[in-house]
Amino acid sequence: DAGVIQSPRHEVTEMGQEVTLRCKPISGHDYLFWYRQTMMRGLELLIYFNNNVPIDDSGMPEDRFSAKMPNASFSTLKIQPSEPRDSAVYFCASTLEAGGPIEQFFGPGTRLTVL
Amino acid sequence: AQKITQTQPGMFVQEKEAVTLDCTYDTSDPSYGLFWYKQPSSGEMIFLIYQGSYDQQNATEGRYSLNFQKARKSANLVISASQLGDSAMYFCAMREWNAGNMLTFGGGTRLMVKP
Repeated sequence: DAGVIQSPRHEVTEMGQEVTLRCKPISGHDYLFWYRQTMMRGLELLIYFNNNVPIDDSGMPEDRFSAKMPNASFSTLKIQPSEPRDSAVYFCASTLEAGGPIEQFFGPGTRLTVL
Repeated sequence: AQKITQTQPGMFVQEKEAVTLDCTYDTSDPSYGLFWYKQPSSGEMIFLIYQGSYDQQNATEGRYSLNFQKARKSANLVISASQLGDSAMYFCAMREWNAGNMLTFGGGTRLMVKP
């Protein structure tokens, strides 16, 4: 299995531009998560989906952020307009619907820099 | 209140020695799971070990073991025979069954292994 795939791996953009981050979860996984990692705030959950339906988006910082999961194999996180404080590493993770020791599998992350 | 607390921002350990990374948690959910992840300098998140709240024995995975003290709400990671490749950030995380499938992460501990 290829694992969770994220693109791009690095993104540099200017303030005010739209940014779209992409994620392909592991095939067969029912849950998909978007996290943001910064030095100041650590790892924060932004939103997660179950069977393509958003379950909890309480971590989405503001209306500039939006996420979609049009099908089981693809999700996007969009920031419009971007701001310098959005600079962070954004991780996508997926897991099976199950209790017990089912860990979340993380993608390699997208390092976003907003100038 | 913080759900996951890692009180050691940084630690040094001599190669081949054992080291304990602290993690305390806060939950009123009787069903929960505790996870440890490793994040090397390359940035990926690597799952290490899992402990369920009803597990009677401490979890072990190779050189990793989890010292689970339920009454004290602590889930410390023990790494035996440290190797240079163990130098990384280590994150403790919790999943509360009544909160869905999301993970809450601690702030992390940076471990540095000295040759």
